[in-house]
Amino acid sequence: AQSVAQPEDQVNVAEGNPLTVKCTYSVSGNPYLFWYVQYPNRGLQFLLKYITGDNLVKGSYGFEAEFNKSQTSFHLKKPSALVSDSALYFCAVRENQAGTALIFGKGTTLSVSS
Amino acid sequence: GAVVSQHPSWVICKSGTSVKIECRSLDFQATTMFWYRQFPKQSLMLMATSNEGSKATYEQGVEKDKFLINHASLTLSTLTVTSAHPEDSSFYICSARLSPGQGPYEQYFGPGTRLTVT
Repeated sequence: AQSVAQPEDQVNVAEGNPLTVKCTYSVSGNPYLFWYVQYPNRGLQFLLKYITGDNLVKGSYGFEAEFNKSQTSFHLKKPSALVSDSALYFCAVRENQAGTALIFGKGTTLSVSS
Repeated sequence: GAVVSQHPSWVICKSGTSVKIECRSLDFQATTMFWYRQFPKQSLMLMATSNEGSKATYEQGVEKDKFLINHASLTLSTLTVTSAHPEDSSFYICSARLSPGQGPYEQYFGPGTRLTVT
C-alpha cells in the first residue's frame, strides 16, 4: 500500500530565509509525487509534481522539490521564504496505475515570520 | 484550464436531513472523480473513487449507504450525505482526473464544501 509521511507538523522560518518541508513516501511501483498548498477554508492548489526525468523539479511561486529515490524522499524547498507562503502544505503520492487516487500526507503548516 | 467547481461552497443543515454536494469539471471531461474529507487541520482522507457510469468504490470504513455518490456524466459527480449528523460536519473536497488520452497525471481539486450539521 502506498503512504506518505510528513514528519513535521509545523515549520517556522523567518522571511528571506530558505525553507524545507519534508516528505517521504512508500509505494510498490514507480511513484508519482506531488506538492499542494492549502490556504484557510480553501481547496488545494497544485505546486509541482515529479513523474520522471530530472530529480529537481521546479514549480509555482518559486518552490522546488528534489526527488531522492534512495531515501524515498521528495522534500519541498524555497530559497527565500515570503510571509505569504504561510499555509498548509501537503505532499501526495500516486502509484503508476491508471485511475488510482492521490494519497496525502498529514500536512505541514508553514509559518513565515516577518 | 482544468477547473473544478463545487456547489455549494458551504451549507448548514439540521440533523437528520440530507445534503447534496455537486462537483463539476468545467472545461474538461473527467472519467474519474474522487471525494475527500478533511477535518480541521488534518489531512485529506479519500472517501471514494467515482467512475462515470458505474458504481463508486468506497474506501474502507466509509459507509456507502450514508455517502451516496453518483457520477452520471463526464463532467458531474454528486455526493449526498444522507441523514446527516453533527459528526458528519467536515470539509468535503472533490477532485477530477483527466480522461485517458488527455493527460494521466494530475488531479484537479475543487474549492471544497464546508458542511455544518446542527
